[in-house]
Amino acid sequence: DAGITQSPRHKVTETGTPVTLRCHQTENHRYMYWYRQDPGHGLRLIHYSYGVKDTDKGEVSDGYSVSRSKTEDFLLTLESATSSQTSVYFCAISEAGQGDTEAFFGQGTRLTVV
Amino acid sequence: AQTVTQSQPEMSVQEAETVTLSCTYDTSENNYYLFWYKQPPSRQMILVIRQEAYKQQNATENRFSVNFQKAAKSFSLKISDSQLGDTAMYFCAFANFGNEKLTFGTGTRLTIIP
Repeated sequence: DAGITQSPRHKVTETGTPVTLRCHQTENHRYMYWYRQDPGHGLRLIHYSYGVKDTDKGEVSDGYSVSRSKTEDFLLTLESATSSQTSVYFCAISEAGQGDTEAFFGQGTRLTVV
Repeated sequence: AQTVTQSQPEMSVQEAETVTLSCTYDTSENNYYLFWYKQPPSRQMILVIRQEAYKQQNATENRFSVNFQKAAKSFSLKISDSQLGDTAMYFCAFANFGNEKLTFGTGTRLTIIP
């Protein structure tokens, strides 16, 4: 299995509180991604990174920010959580772009905003 | 923008039978990649098969094969001799050549009946 770890695996938080999810990899892959998975929507890209301090938005980036200060860590922050952000969040890594090389996914984080 | 459509939200089949999952996509590009991912109840995303659009030969991986119809923009997955372990959500995904990002369909929940 690819060395990719998400933490926490489960979290319940209150509306309006900040939340940070962490993705850690041991593969030294250049690209890292955050997706959210919701019923009827499949996986949708939130943000991705193509190197340290290099990030870009995906299709559902509103309300989320990311940071990548080290190759191995990619953080996703919900500045003020809302109920619409209740979802399962997946981190993925790939050596090059996801089209050109295989993407490996973490186990997911189930976030519930109450 | 690229879109991926999976028109079968749920399917079920008897063990040992063959099942075909449908996927259509929309793109104006000529070079791209197509994927099928499997997500069992464990939530882990697993790459099943990958097809490069410039290759006319359909990809196969053991019991899994695809029917790639480029002109029709269709990319179906055939599972032969289905097994109980094939029970999962299956996602079709697309990426442009040289693009960093995957676009996913909404998924098909497949149940293999003993």
